[in-house]
Amino acid sequence: EAQVTQNPRYLITVTGKKLTVTCSQNMNHEYMSWYRQDPGLGLRQIYYSMNVEVTDKGDVPEGYKVSRKEKRNFPLILESPSPNQTSLYFCASSFRQQETQYFGPGTRLLVL
Amino acid sequence: EDQVTQSPEALRLQEGESSSLNCSYTVSGLRGLFWYRQDPGKGPEFLFTLYSAGEEKEKERLKATLTKKESFLHITAPKPEDSATYLCAVQARYNFNKFYFGSGTKLNVKP
Repeated sequence: EAQVTQNPRYLITVTGKKLTVTCSQNMNHEYMSWYRQDPGLGLRQIYYSMNVEVTDKGDVPEGYKVSRKEKRNFPLILESPSPNQTSLYFCASSFRQQETQYFGPGTRLLVL
Repeated sequence: EDQVTQSPEALRLQEGESSSLNCSYTVSGLRGLFWYRQDPGKGPEFLFTLYSAGEEKEKERLKATLTKKESFLHITAPKPEDSATYLCAVQARYNFNKFYFGSGTKLNVKP
């Protein structure tokens, strides 16, 4: 089954404790992207990747890092999480950036 | 600044009562406008892509249209299973890699 998976689905952590949210797709997609969704603000793009080893900032990259060492995986790293990073995070992928994005199920993060 | 505004924020309809959702956008050259459906606790699910003013696309009870400044998602004779949040996003010509989403319209269809 074609899908985008994210782990963990739910995470409660404390300020400053490094964490990684994983994203994996099994569709051989070139383009992958991370979004955060907050009430009233909609989905905002954090980082995106056009292919392996090619990443760039979206609109809200502060406090986040990404890497793309393999085509299927695009982890989101929070080196020192803060409460304002409490949010619902979505990973998405598409064959190319012009095409339809397929979204993962989301990761709900609470930073205390 | 590229921006997407959706209205209304929430819409309550009776089953069978047709209506429209609005997505207004400002972008420096539109490459594509996307509609997604999002159910509670799930990721957005693709519905339509529109590329040029005058274009229309249909799927079951949904029809999306596009002008130079806005898009409409028309829902004809909705059913309770159409209840969801509908998201609109735009992609600019100058940067295919970036997507700008509206905050969505939460649709509730009562039986």
